[in-house]
Amino acid sequence: GAVVSQHPSWVICKSGTSVKIECRSLDFQATTMFWYRQFPKQSLMLMATSNEGSKATYEQGVEKDKFLINHASLTLSTLTVTSAHPEDSSFYICSASRQGRVYGYTFGSGTRLTVV
Amino acid sequence: ELKVEQNPLFLSMQEGKNYTIYCNYSTTSDRLYWYRQDPGKSLESLFVLLSNGAVKQEGRLMASLDTKARLSTLHITAAVHDLSATYFCAVDDMEYGNKLVFGAGTILRVKS
Repeated sequence: GAVVSQHPSWVICKSGTSVKIECRSLDFQATTMFWYRQFPKQSLMLMATSNEGSKATYEQGVEKDKFLINHASLTLSTLTVTSAHPEDSSFYICSASRQGRVYGYTFGSGTRLTVV
Repeated sequence: ELKVEQNPLFLSMQEGKNYTIYCNYSTTSDRLYWYRQDPGKSLESLFVLLSNGAVKQEGRLMASLDTKARLSTLHITAAVHDLSATYFCAVDDMEYGNKLVFGAGTILRVKS
C-alpha cells in the first residue's frame, strides 16, 4: 500500500528557466502533501505544506513566488521552481499523508535538480 | 517550537559491534519515526513509534520510545556493512497538527 510517485528523478536546466516536479499518490488520497529540500549531508528542510484545493503554507524564509506549489487534486501536487538559479540546485522530496494521523507519511523518491 | 536533536551525527563502527543512536525532542509528541536514507535516495521508513514504552524490532535494528523523557533510541546489534546509511528520526509536531520535524541525521559507516 501507500505509494507516492515523484517525477522526474533528476533534471538539469539552464539558469532562468522553470522546472516542474510532480508528486502523485498512487493508491490513496493525499489530503496533505509536503515539499522538502535537502542539501548534501544535511537533513530535510520543510519548504511548504499543501492541502487539496487550498493555497500552500510556506515555511519561513521560503520564497512563495520562487517555489510555486499547486495541489489541485487529492492525488497530485506540483512544485515549480521558477527562474531557477544554480543556488536552487538541490534534492527535492515530497511526502503525502492521508486523513487522520494514524497513517503516517509516505515519501516520494526525490528529484535531483541541477541548474547550470 | 519543536526541536529534534540526534546524536551522534557521525558513527563509524566495526562489523559485529553494537551501538545506539539517540533522538531527543523538546516538546510533547505522541509519534516518532525512524528513517533510513541511502546516498542519492529518498527516505525509507523503518519504524513508527506511537506510544510511551513502544519498542519495535526489525532485523538488527530496534527502536524504542520514552515520551516522558522525550527520548527515542535506535539500537544496532551486531552491525553489518549493509547497515551503512544515514538515519533520521522525525517527530510529529502536535502543536502544528500535521508536520514532521527532522533530526540532523546520523551518518553510519560500518567497516568490514
